[in-house]
Amino acid sequence: AQRVTQPEKLLSVFKGAPVELKCNYSYSGSPELFWYVQYSRQRLQLLLRHISRESIKGFTADLNKGETSFHLKKPFAQEEDSAMYYCALSGASGGSNYKLTFGKGTLLTVNP
Amino acid sequence: GAVVSQHPSWVICKSGTSVKIECRSLDFQATTMFWYRQFPKQSLMLMATSNEGSKATYEQGVEKDKFLINHASLTLSTLTVTSAHPEDSSFYICSASYRQGVDTQYFGPGTRLTVL
Repeated sequence: AQRVTQPEKLLSVFKGAPVELKCNYSYSGSPELFWYVQYSRQRLQLLLRHISRESIKGFTADLNKGETSFHLKKPFAQEEDSAMYYCALSGASGGSNYKLTFGKGTLLTVNP
Repeated sequence: GAVVSQHPSWVICKSGTSVKIECRSLDFQATTMFWYRQFPKQSLMLMATSNEGSKATYEQGVEKDKFLINHASLTLSTLTVTSAHPEDSSFYICSASYRQGVDTQYFGPGTRLTVL
């Protein structure tokens, strides 16, 4: 079974402060991890995936297999970062299919 | 690129009627499409995975006779909620990916279903 845990439902920081959104996973195979973001009144969109090892909008996330974590970090938060963030794991679901399992999400609020 | 649309964006229906929701990939061919359900202030729960030309694979606990999924072309998948009841009221979201297997999913804007 695959599981994604985001321990914080809400996270509030001030503009310019560092931010870290936590994500832990459980999966018996080799995981593919993603962060998706949903801005107010917009659709869910991909922020980054661990295999790309890239920084998007100043966010980075490193897969730590020892700690089974994929925390999302940004050194200096901006007001426009306020959104709901979902961590997701892609794992085999049978045959050639893979499925995304989402965490419950963390609502980030960046205060001015 | 990689835009997914859903229609309708919201629908209200009477209990016992059936409702069809369309999911289209507008600028790419989607081998695989997914249907999710999202309750208020909760995460997305996968309902089923469909590959073009094949029967959908449903997640445990999802009634396949109640939630009919058709993926007849590489750009269109439909979800039909049959004999809808108030407990089926929810936000239904589809996503699409180019390839079967591990691939980025592109999400539609969602459809709000309210069953009276």
